[in-house]
Amino acid sequence: DAKTTQPPSMDCAEGRAANLPCNHSTISGNEYVYWYRQIHSQGPQYIIHGLKNNETNEMASLIITEDRKSSTLILPHATLRDTAVYYCIISNFGNEKLTFGTGTRLTIIP
Amino acid sequence: GAVVSQHPSRVICKSGTSVKIECRSLDFQATTMFWYRQFPKKSLMLMATSNEGSKATYEQGVEKDKFLINHASLTLSTLTVTSAHPEDSSFYICSAAEGGRGNEQFFGPGTRLTVL
Repeated sequence: DAKTTQPPSMDCAEGRAANLPCNHSTISGNEYVYWYRQIHSQGPQYIIHGLKNNETNEMASLIITEDRKSSTLILPHATLRDTAVYYCIISNFGNEKLTFGTGTRLTIIP
Repeated sequence: GAVVSQHPSRVICKSGTSVKIECRSLDFQATTMFWYRQFPKKSLMLMATSNEGSKATYEQGVEKDKFLINHASLTLSTLTVTSAHPEDSSFYICSAAEGGRGNEQFFGPGTRLTVL
């Protein structure tokens, strides 16, 4: 699986959009970009995933660059409950093991 | 999204005892289930992959005789920590996947194991 690079931590003001970057320059053509988050002492929560096109769901938007070497997860209106560690993971199949890096610790500031 | 449950959510046991943790996919059939371990302030580390009806595949450094995994049905996998010791104290998390390209994995809420 391709390796990912994320900033270790970020702060965002409550109500603002949180933009979390991820670099995955070695991604191959058939690998997906998955985003999960983990709130303290809970299991990871699936957020969104995509292959080439930008994706949006009720939780977030995923913007993937044209060369697919990086992506950005956008939480449009961050709330205090969005404080968590966010993981960007590259994977091919849904039933393939996921390799968790260190993620980005996002703190929402009141 | 789909729901994955774990039981128990928290367990405290004496050193030398065995502990069984259950992972269930509640509203879908999981061809594959994964078991992870997470130590404080660390990321999740995969322990093993289990496919229904076959033996689990363990990651390097994980003792298969100590961490017994059974995936007897498409909705249930169990992890048994045999002869637990204080160093086995950790947060154990399972995930389940239907399979297929580009599908999601869904995670359970985790089980906090404390071995005294």
